[in-house]
Amino acid sequence: EVHLVESGGGLVRPGGSLRLSCVASGFNFKTYAMSWARQAPEKGLEWVSGISGSGESTYYAGSVKGRFTISRDNSKNTVFLQMNSLTDDDTAVYYCAKESSIFGVDPFDSWGQGTLVTVSS
Amino acid sequence: QFVLTQSPSASASLGASVKLTCTLNSGRRGYAIAWHQQQPEKGPRYLLKVNSDGTYNKGDGVPDRFSGSSSGAERYLTISSLQSEDEADYYCQTWDGDVHVFGGGTKLTVL
Repeated sequence: EVHLVESGGGLVRPGGSLRLSCVASGFNFKTYAMSWARQAPEKGLEWVSGISGSGESTYYAGSVKGRFTISRDNSKNTVFLQMNSLTDDDTAVYYCAKESSIFGVDPFDSWGQGTLVTVSS
Repeated sequence: QFVLTQSPSASASLGASVKLTCTLNSGRRGYAIAWHQQQPEKGPRYLLKVNSDGTYNKGDGVPDRFSGSSSGAERYLTISSLQSEDEADYYCQTWDGDVHVFGGGTKLTVL
């Protein structure tokens, strides 16, 4: 059974940084692309960033490009999201998601439970 | 640019059926989409993928009450024999090489 467990969320000041982690289990991690999505309070889902299985290719939504960096450590079955220059608009629950295959050709087929990021002064 | 359009809300009675719609913008009617369910205070759950030809593939453990279909630019999620736990937000998702896109979601109320 696939398990995705996010951590690293919390309260951060505007302009600050935070690093999220997602530990995966139950599948051959390095074979699958992974993504981060978020959900602002009372809002819908928004895709944020994705990474290929090897980690060589990364993808970003326009709203976070240049501020967020996705990476992965296949030896630790972990995907990361480094978030810099945070603003109030980044306040959301951040979800880790497993892609069905390589990036961008199939849907997410598993989700984590989410970690809350609050940007506030 | 991808746009997925969903009605904000829907309702149906316990034991009845409901059909939710996700509409792809023009020029994208050949694309597949996926449906995800988000129960209150929980993370999303993948339900199924709907192809442009109307075939669909369910995720592991998804009950047979959930099915998908397609017509033109519209992709559907049908839930039969509605149960109280089906009251949730339902999101459609699509993808295109270097991006994923979600619809705005439909809040389903089971009466």
